[in-house]
Amino acid sequence: AQSVAQPEDQVNVAEGNPLTVKCTYSVSGNPYLFWYVQYPNRGLQFLLKYITGDNLVKGSYGFEAEFNKSQTSFHLKKPSALVSDSALYFCAVKGNSGYSTLTFGKGTMLLVSP
Amino acid sequence: DAGVIQSPRHEVTEMGQEVTLRCKPISGHDYLFWYRQTMMRGLELLIYFNNNVPIDDSGMPEDRFSAKMPNASFSTLKIQPSEPRDSAVYFCASNELPGLAGLTDTQYFGPGTRLTVL
Repeated sequence: AQSVAQPEDQVNVAEGNPLTVKCTYSVSGNPYLFWYVQYPNRGLQFLLKYITGDNLVKGSYGFEAEFNKSQTSFHLKKPSALVSDSALYFCAVKGNSGYSTLTFGKGTMLLVSP
Repeated sequence: DAGVIQSPRHEVTEMGQEVTLRCKPISGHDYLFWYRQTMMRGLELLIYFNNNVPIDDSGMPEDRFSAKMPNASFSTLKIQPSEPRDSAVYFCASNELPGLAGLTDTQYFGPGTRLTVL
């Protein structure tokens, strides 16, 4: 069975500071990894994904994530946080053999203070 | 494309009533998913379809829940009878048939239906 852990319910960061939202995963075979963001009263919005290739993936709004196979992690990062980045962030994983559905983490609330 | 469309956006009903949620996936997408989101349980996959055929409904909580996809552009999730514990936000999502190495395998979510059962 595949699973995702987001160890922090909430991350607080000041505007202009770097941010990291943590994610670790468990899956059979090689993973496909995703980050989604959810703003209040909205659906989940795709940010970025890792399928293969370069371990550093760049996505929307200046976000990036680094795939680390040995640590089974896929942490989301941004060099300089904005107040408008405040939202709920979900990490998701699926295996790459056959078709499998996405398994989502419980989400991490990011709060960026002015 | 307008993205995944869901209706209604908000639904308030009384316990025991039938509720029908509707979803129009992105044109050309072969997979459709229904999720439920609550504070307690997070995001749960209820059921998914491939080419209008239900593939896995193991996440459907009870027989009170049913889902259909009569054609490629429309799906419904029905709760009958509804109960207060069904109160949640219900999302529909769709994605294309996975291409080479899953390069197109990204799910796109609708805005959700917020269901309140009194």
